[in-house]
Amino acid sequence: EVQLVQSGGEMRKPGESVKISCKGSGYTFSNYWIGWVRQTPRKGLEWMGVIYPGDSDTRYNPSFQGQVTISADESITTAFLEWKSLKTSDTALYYCARILVATGKTFDYWGQGTLLTVSS
Amino acid sequence: EVVLTQSPGTLSLSPGERATLSCRASQNIVTYLAWYQQRPGQAPRLLIYGTSTRATGITDRFSGSGSGREFTLTISTLEPEDLGVYYCQQYGSSPWTFGQGTKVEIK
Repeated sequence: EVQLVQSGGEMRKPGESVKISCKGSGYTFSNYWIGWVRQTPRKGLEWMGVIYPGDSDTRYNPSFQGQVTISADESITTAFLEWKSLKTSDTALYYCARILVATGKTFDYWGQGTLLTVSS
Repeated sequence: EVVLTQSPGTLSLSPGERATLSCRASQNIVTYLAWYQQRPGQAPRLLIYGTSTRATGITDRFSGSGSGREFTLTISTLEPEDLGVYYCQQYGSSPWTFGQGTKVEIK
């Protein structure tokens, strides 16, 4: 059974850093792109970027380029989303999701979500 | 970036009724459109991709149609478990974008 299990909720102050994770199981992790999606009440769902764990090829939505870093570690079948300097506007629910091979650009399995709260 | 506009904002129907949800793209995306269902407190679930292909395990009560800029998701006979928010996503142009969602309520 394909599963994506995300790390728990995080609370940080503006300017701090954080790295959240997404562990895949039940499939060959290296062979599927994994993406990150942000959800907020104001903007809804936003695609942030994707990574191919097999070679760490990474693509970003221009709106998020330079704001976050997506990475993956094949050896522990885990993808990561990292911020170096958080803003209050980063407060959101973040999902990781596997990319469907048939389209290369839609998400067939999703993690349970990680709530990030940034507040002073 | 392609803007997706979904309508209506909320759909309130009784079990057994037919639900028709619309998604309009700001530019031609051919048939590169997907639909997701998000039940309360859950992650989104892929229903349809390529405008009309059902994802694995999705009941044939869900069907998709359209092309170019106008797309439709139809739920043939509503069941109580269909409540939630439905999102369209385009992948014809980067960055991939989502609509704002249509909330389906069951009377």
